[in-house]
Amino acid sequence: DTGVSQNPRHKITKRGQNVTFRCDPISEHNRLYWYRQTLGQGPEFLTYFQNEAQLEKSRLLSDRFSAERPKGSFSTLEIQRTEQGDSAMYLCASSLVGTDNSPLHFGNGTRLTVT
Amino acid sequence: GDSVTQMEGPVTLSEEAFLTINCTYTATGYPSLFWYVQYPGEGLQLLLKATKADDKGSNKGFEATYRKETTSFHLEKGSVQVSDSAVYFCALLGGYNKLIFGAGTRLAVHP
Repeated sequence: DTGVSQNPRHKITKRGQNVTFRCDPISEHNRLYWYRQTLGQGPEFLTYFQNEAQLEKSRLLSDRFSAERPKGSFSTLEIQRTEQGDSAMYLCASSLVGTDNSPLHFGNGTRLTVT
Repeated sequence: GDSVTQMEGPVTLSEEAFLTINCTYTATGYPSLFWYVQYPGEGLQLLLKATKADDKGSNKGFEATYRKETTSFHLEKGSVQVSDSAVYFCALLGGYNKLIFGAGTRLAVHP
């Protein structure tokens, strides 16, 4: 169990550029979640997948955001035309559905800074 | 909708002091409750959990009891250490195993 892995750890980009983050969940986990955490706040849910299907998207996820999990393993989160308000820590988590109250295991996050 | 409210920080304590971080929730039904901890530069780690009323979760000297009557899940530790300095998040498990977090409480423990 190598845990949830996220890359890159840090990303600095200029406003208007596109960025893509990657998340590799724990290998046997079938659910994958994306959260966003801004300074001084708790993580806010963005979206989640069960296997390759994206089952829910938060209203926080504007049209500039898109997430994929093409083979039900790793996932990518892309932000197009970044804005300064997108600056945050983006957290990925995974869990195994089917086990009661399976806790979410979080990665260390990708910190995005939009200048 | 479901929500979690935590006491605001920072909480500053001396080593060996008693810790309480208050957490209350609003939810339909009786969701599972969690405390996560985030150490500087690290990801969120599950600290403890409770799945039903009157359950007590415990780990590393921390405890929290699921109180249905007061919709609370306060975190306690009898004697904090400098290494406990971190941000603590209370959370409830909503639909589809989706965690809903409080805003977090920063704890700073001084020698």
